[in-house]
Amino acid sequence: GAVVSQHPSWVICKSGTSVKIECRSLDFQATTMFWYRQFPKQSLMLMATSNEGSKATYEQGVEKDKFLINHASLTLSTLTVTSAHPEDSSFYICSVTGAGARDNYGYTFGSGTRLTVV
Amino acid sequence: GQQLNQSPQSMFIQEGEDVSMNCTSSSIFNTWLWYKQDPGEGPVLLIALYKAGELTSNGRLTAQFGITRKDSFLNISASIPSDVGIYFCAGRWSGNTPLVFGKGTRLSVIA
Repeated sequence: GAVVSQHPSWVICKSGTSVKIECRSLDFQATTMFWYRQFPKQSLMLMATSNEGSKATYEQGVEKDKFLINHASLTLSTLTVTSAHPEDSSFYICSVTGAGARDNYGYTFGSGTRLTVV
Repeated sequence: GQQLNQSPQSMFIQEGEDVSMNCTSSSIFNTWLWYKQDPGEGPVLLIALYKAGELTSNGRLTAQFGITRKDSFLNISASIPSDVGIYFCAGRWSGNTPLVFGKGTRLSVIA
């Protein structure tokens, strides 16, 4: 299957600062990446869908100006949490898929980033 | 966003017992998937199902894609301590559409 690297694994930041999370597809071209958020003891909730070279599509209730997504290349998508607040503390996970990839490549997730805002 | 109905929410079983969990949806999916998530990690794909009625095994795991395309189940046989974790079902319509997840089944195995 695909190899997806997500960095950092965890980050602690002060309220009001911005944090950037990277998601890299290491062995195939990811034309589409998905960003999920997971609160403790809950399921994964889709935040946005990101297609290479175009603007991300955000789910209802997700602020696009707060959660900036950039997918400038076929191997890298970034999620920047701007002006983070304690309620943004969560587990953020990316997932990748790509044209021409084996079908099950579309189901590979990164290892997640635990964000704690203090 | 939409979520699938997954049950049970949690299970406590003895080592060696079999486990069964299922997922239902009000919508049709073209692909059903089952994931396992360990604490602090991303979900790891266990089984992917692509055709209605398909029954697929992966070691001690067996999953089926319901004939109506609105449900799926996962069975784990002869559970072992490392089966502990949260199991999620997920559905996908087609192409590059995102997955829709169930709420998860938390499995605890008592040695």
